[in-house]
This record gives sequence, C-alpha cells and structure tokens, in this order.
Amino acid sequence: SQKIEQNSEALNIQEGKTATLTCNYTNYSPAYLQWYRQDPGRGPVFLLLIRENEKEKRKERLKVTFDTTLKQSLFHITASQPADSATYLCALDEAGGSYIPTFGRGTSLIVHP
Amino acid sequence: IAGITQAPTSQILAAGRRMTLRCTQDMRHNAMYWYRQDLGLGLRLIHYSNTAGTTGKGEVPDGYSVSRANTDDFPLTLASAVPSQTSVYFCASRSGSGTDTQYFGPGTRLTVL
Repeated sequence: SQKIEQNSEALNIQEGKTATLTCNYTNYSPAYLQWYRQDPGRGPVFLLLIRENEKEKRKERLKVTFDTTLKQSLFHITASQPADSATYLCALDEAGGSYIPTFGRGTSLIVHP
Repeated sequence: IAGITQAPTSQILAAGRRMTLRCTQDMRHNAMYWYRQDLGLGLRLIHYSNTAGTTGKGEVPDGYSVSRANTDDFPLTLASAVPSQTSVYFCASRSGSGTDTQYFGPGTRLTVL
C-alpha cells in the first residue's frame, strides 16, 4: 500500500542549530514533492517544491533534498529560530497529473531559545 | 486581498442537523479541495473538484457532499451531522496547470454534539 511517513515525535532543537526533517514514501512515483508549514489554528502554507529530476532546492534558510532511489526527502532549516517552531508537512504529487497531492501527517518542530 | 475564505470560523452543531461549510477563492483557480484534519491523522481529502462543474471523491467522502457551480465557490455539506465529523475542515485551491502549489483557507472548526 502507499505510505508517506514523517516522524510523529516532535523535533526539539536549540536556536541557531540546523533542523532536519524527514519524509519517506513507499509505493509512489512522485512527479514532485512539496513542503508546507502549518501553525496552530491555521491552514498549511507552501514553502518549497522539488521535482523528481532535482536533487536539491534552496530558499533563504531552507533547503530540500529529494532522493528518488532512497524514496526520501529531507527538509533543512539552517540557523533555526524560535519563530520556525511549527508543524511541517510533506506532500507528494504522482506522475500522471491528477493534481491531488497526498500529505504526510507532519512533524512538529520546536526551536528553543 | 487574494486568497481563500472559509465560513464559519467555528461552529457547534447538534447531531442530525444539516450544515454547509462555505469556501470562496478569488484567484480563478481551477481545482479546489476539502480536507479534514484530526489529531494524529493529518490532512485527509474529502472531496475535490478539478474544474467548475466536476467533482470527485477523496479518501473520506462518506457523509459529505459538494457542488461546484462556478469557479470561485466550493461548498461542503454535511447532510446529517454525526459526532465523528467533529474536526477542523480546510478548503484549498490550486491553479491546476502543471507544477503548482495548493493555497489553503484558514479552516473551520466544527464540533458535533
């Protein structure tokens, strides 16, 4: 069966360190993968998109990698700040263009001052 | 301000009552979606519409119906609410052309007693 896995346990790190979140998938052939941020009581907000033929994407302090052999994406936040504390969701879009992404359950990040 | 609006923000509803959650977008996006989000279960797709006049079932459609009479509006109706439909409901839209992201509304918190 198809599965998208993100760590259910919260990730606690100190301010200034790099946070690394993981998204693993099975039985998908993703055309691209997206990362979203969700704050309590709010809807998810798009952060980054990476295509299957791209290894890495960067935006300011954010970096996403995509390894279709390992079936894994890593999401990095460098020089983390308490304001980065939120839940981060990954979402997969399969080849074929259904425009219906499937979301992981998200990982909570807590950055301590 | 362009985006997605949802109404109501929150609602407490007696079991057996009919309820319509409203969703409107002003970005002229073709595709729209309804998700429910429950603790520990992540975002689950209820119904979607790839274009005005068409709808489709998602992962958890039972007890819900949708319509897409025009591009901007995508209401979700609970014909006879049950306590298991207590959740936070998010509407989202997407332009539907190639690799693009979803934009989410602020959500509706629904409690069915």
